[in-house]
Amino acid sequence: EPEVTQTPSHQVTQMGQEVILRCVPISNHLYFYWYRQILGQKVEFLVSFYNNEISEKSEIFDDQFSVERPDGSNFTLKIRSTKLEDSAMYFCASSVYGPNEQYFGPGTRLTVT
Amino acid sequence: SQQGEEDPQALSIQEGENATMNCSYKTSINNLQWYRQNSGRGLVHLILIRSNEREKHSGRLRVTLDTSKKSSSLLITASRAADTASYFCATDGGYSGGGADGLTFGKGTHLIIQP
Repeated sequence: EPEVTQTPSHQVTQMGQEVILRCVPISNHLYFYWYRQILGQKVEFLVSFYNNEISEKSEIFDDQFSVERPDGSNFTLKIRSTKLEDSAMYFCASSVYGPNEQYFGPGTRLTVT
Repeated sequence: SQQGEEDPQALSIQEGENATMNCSYKTSINNLQWYRQNSGRGLVHLILIRSNEREKHSGRLRVTLDTSKKSSSLLITASRAADTASYFCATDGGYSGGGADGLTFGKGTHLIIQP
């Protein structure tokens, strides 16, 4: 069964460093998403991406964040200058069509020290 | 923005019993979805119910949706130890209403199935 994959599974970085989190969505899906979950808290929507551009973003997704689909398979989330409060689990998701089921990857645990 | 809020926050039952979790939300939706998350793992999609549907079944899962009360329930019948997990409802339609709506998740119900 096709699945969303994410790399790395765990990333440790120092405050102020740039990180890139990578995702490979399910191949026939057209809509891509990033969410984050701070330990013990809700899963929060960051951004959605369709047709090579951002479709929607939440208030969390500020200028420190960017997304890109550099080729036909990868979907990346870049955090330009990490802060301690960026420590969280980051989930990538994809769907065939926006209002349909979203399928989530296993997540990347980001630890900012 | 809208919120899905589940109750109870925690539920512990014996294996074989049925588990019912509820979710409430605040604004209009296109769909409501339920997800499961095992500790420290990713989110597994369980079932989606559209705003024009009232009930949906999938295996041991039964979901109801009452848009007049802005609430949904998830029933897991004949629970198993492997059902131990956190369960979240997630709603869309809370952002611009366009085709790539981000989901708004509740805080979840932590379900423990005692063997």
